[in-house]
Amino acid sequence: DAGVTQSPTHLIKTRGQQVTLRCSPKSGHDTVSWYQQALGQGPQFIFQYYEEEERQRGNFPDRFSGHQFPNYSSELNVNALLLGDSALYLCASSRSTYEQYFGPGTRLTVT
Amino acid sequence: LAKTTQPISMDSYEGQEVNITCSHNNIATNDYITWYQQFPSQGPRFIIQGYKTKVTNEVASLFIPADRKSSTLSLPRVSLSDTAVYYCLVGDDDYKLSFGAGTTVTVRA
Repeated sequence: DAGVTQSPTHLIKTRGQQVTLRCSPKSGHDTVSWYQQALGQGPQFIFQYYEEEERQRGNFPDRFSGHQFPNYSSELNVNALLLGDSALYLCASSRSTYEQYFGPGTRLTVT
Repeated sequence: LAKTTQPISMDSYEGQEVNITCSHNNIATNDYITWYQQFPSQGPRFIIQGYKTKVTNEVASLFIPADRKSSTLSLPRVSLSDTAVYYCLVGDDDYKLSFGAGTTVTVRA
């Protein structure tokens, strides 16, 4: 049983560009959450998707958007990239319980 | 969400027991206490969750006093592979997890 998978593993973008990160949840999970983890800090909640809709959102600007597909996979889109968006982006899946299963993350570097 | 305070770092040696205490003075009645572990370049991993008294699983024990204003994660007989960041989370929200800076535990040979 594959766990949570994310792609790509690493990504380098230039300021002002747009990026799309992808996540496939653990088998049987219907809820996907996205987190941003800056170096040396804990993960910060971006938003969560359930039944293809954004259920709750953290304190992130509208440049951060997402989508969930009928097969429960999800995408995180970030527009107009800033240097401060450089971070590890984590996807976590669950079946609406407090125990979330995290993927290995996508390391985004903005230059 | 209740704010948590935990030590920034702790050092230990192989075979010792490591106890990490987390303070959460403003914990609400419906809040649970959850601990996650994170290795470098990996996502966090659920360790244990509790509401009151003591919870034990194959990895750790969680001790919660009656007033629930603090909790202690106990890792028995640590090994080098237990070197990681440990996060204490408090809340009743199934939707999102609020992580602090965590405690960096370093286990030495």
